[in-house]
Amino acid sequence: DAKTTQPPSMDCAEGRAANLPCNHSTISGNEYVYWYRQIHSQGPQYIIHGLKNNETNEMASLIITEDRKSSTLILPHATLRDTAVYYCIVRVEGEYTGKLIFGQGTTLQVKP
Amino acid sequence: EADIYQTPRYLVIGTGKKITLECSQTMGHDKMYWYQQDPGMELHLIHYSYGVNSTEKGDLSSESTVSRIRTEHFPLTLESARPSHTSQYLCASSFGQLRLEKLFFGSGTQLSVL
Repeated sequence: DAKTTQPPSMDCAEGRAANLPCNHSTISGNEYVYWYRQIHSQGPQYIIHGLKNNETNEMASLIITEDRKSSTLILPHATLRDTAVYYCIVRVEGEYTGKLIFGQGTTLQVKP
Repeated sequence: EADIYQTPRYLVIGTGKKITLECSQTMGHDKMYWYQQDPGMELHLIHYSYGVNSTEKGDLSSESTVSRIRTEHFPLTLESARPSHTSQYLCASSFGQLRLEKLFFGSGTQLSVL
């Protein structure tokens, strides 16, 4: 699986959009980008995933660059409850294993 | 909301005790996992199961053992707890769907061995 690079921490004002970047310059054509988040002392929570098209769901939007070497997770209106560690993971498609590798992630602090 | 439950939420025990961390899910998922996480650190996969009577060791070596006698139940056992086992243990499950690595996690068990 390709390696990802994320900033260790970010701040965001409550009510503003939070844009979390992720670099995955060695991603291959059959690897998906997944985002999870982990609120303090809880288990991680799935947010969104995508291959090459932009994706949106009720939680967030995922923007993947045309060359697929980077992506951005967007929380359109961040709230205090969005304070968490956000993990960007790339994973090859094909046989499903569920064995995700969670790196250090980005700690997002939403401030009032 | 995911229906995956871990008990106990917190556990403080003495060295040498045998303990079992419970994990149950009511979603009928065939795949289940145990991750270990120290404060501020990465999650490490220590055990996984793709179905009843199927268990495998994960990427991080662990002295714990697991069993999968029923689909919904995936307990983790430490025969003799040591202070080095102090950590948070997270259980997760998923269904066998191609191309979707969507895991559902429990709230975790915070284990402290004195």
